[in-house]
Amino acid sequence: GESVGLHLPTLSVQEGDNSIINCAYSNSASDYFIWYKQESGKGPQFIIDIRSNMDKRQGQRVTVLLNKTVKHLSLQIAATQPGDSAVYFCAENWASGGYNKLIFGAGTRLAVHP
Amino acid sequence: DVKVTQSSRYLVKRTGEKVFLECVQDMDHENMFWYRQDPGLGLRLIYFSYDVKMKEKGDIPEGYSVSREKKERFSLILESASTNQTSMYLCASSLNRFNSPLHFGNGTRLTVT
Repeated sequence: GESVGLHLPTLSVQEGDNSIINCAYSNSASDYFIWYKQESGKGPQFIIDIRSNMDKRQGQRVTVLLNKTVKHLSLQIAATQPGDSAVYFCAENWASGGYNKLIFGAGTRLAVHP
Repeated sequence: DVKVTQSSRYLVKRTGEKVFLECVQDMDHENMFWYRQDPGLGLRLIYFSYDVKMKEKGDIPEGYSVSREKKERFSLILESASTNQTSMYLCASSLNRFNSPLHFGNGTRLTVT
């Protein structure tokens, strides 16, 4: 399979448990954040986004929390399933020179065990 | 759903060859991007385009060029492939210039020997 990240931190959870994946971002001026999921052999898939004027946003089984004070983003997955096993990336939006650029984190591997 | 299609899943090329990676999106998105993804280095932006015939350098443009003759198509060109360009190449598109998620293709795994 594709080696998305050979040296990524790994979060191991039991099927049915809740998962929390954390991300520290770098730019206090970042105004938009996205979480992506990447399964082996596929491109990153959009999960959920949040703007900087919000602290929390919920989707289907996922919640993103934003703490601008400490520049921290988290993704919570409820009732984790084997299909959730993947690498998860956060991305922050930098607006520079009239252009919009996404800066991606290194990623966290989520391993779900039955 | 947005569909971003990369023409090749796997490519093997020789050093010095000219390589074309093709990407097509079907949602009339204005913006298109090329990234490369390497273990331990994450996703790095090579080039992007906010309009037809427009291109801007990303963080690692050296050794690459791009072409956007039509809105739906964004091509990445390696003028003279080198072994350090062996990588996974990801194309993406987005609807708006600001605060809009990128939608990615499934990637082209390029090996330069």
